[in-house]
Amino acid sequence: AQSVTQPDIHITVSEGASLELRCNYSYGATPYLFWYVQSPGQGLQLLLKYFSGDTLVQGIKGFEAEFKRSQSSFNLRKPSVHWSDAAEYFCAVGAHSGGGADGLTFGKGTHLIIQP
Amino acid sequence: KAGVTQTPRYLIKTRGQQVTLSCSPISGHRSVSWYQQTPGQGLQFLFEYFSETQRNKGNFPGRFSGRQFSNSRSEMNVSTLELGDSALYLCASSFQTGYGYTFGSGTRLTVV
Repeated sequence: AQSVTQPDIHITVSEGASLELRCNYSYGATPYLFWYVQSPGQGLQLLLKYFSGDTLVQGIKGFEAEFKRSQSSFNLRKPSVHWSDAAEYFCAVGAHSGGGADGLTFGKGTHLIIQP
Repeated sequence: KAGVTQTPRYLIKTRGQQVTLSCSPISGHRSVSWYQQTPGQGLQFLFEYFSETQRNKGNFPGRFSGRQFSNSRSEMNVSTLELGDSALYLCASSFQTGYGYTFGSGTRLTVV
């Protein structure tokens, strides 16, 4: 069964500093990987996704992520965070088996706090 | 282009009742999936529909069911509500199964 681990429950970063959120996955074949962000009381917004090809993926709001197959990781990075980046971040893995999708498996999330 | 629309946004029900939640996907999207989000369990996959057929189902009891209509709109139903069903229910749509999903804002269900 597929699984996703986000080791950091909370991360505090100063505004303007760089950010890296960790994500490790477990899946037998090449997965589809996603990062979503959720603001309080809201749904999930897709930041970026990896299906195949270039392992460095660019997303919205200045985020990027790198797929490392050897480490089963898909870490999210941003060179300089803004106060508006404070939110909950979720890493997810998806699979496509035969005629249907198995649904996304999400990590528990990382709560990002931005210090002024 | 309108996003994924979920109605209602908030709902309060009593234990034992049943509830129906609605999801209208992005125009042209034929895949609709449902997720339950709780503080304890996080985000969990409920089921996915594509062209009116349920393609897969998560590990939830039979009280949770859904359907998809010919216009791709989807409903999920929870019967005999329990306190533990209190959660944010999120709907996501995709052009094709297995690809990027766009989520709605969710329906916050409270069971009292």
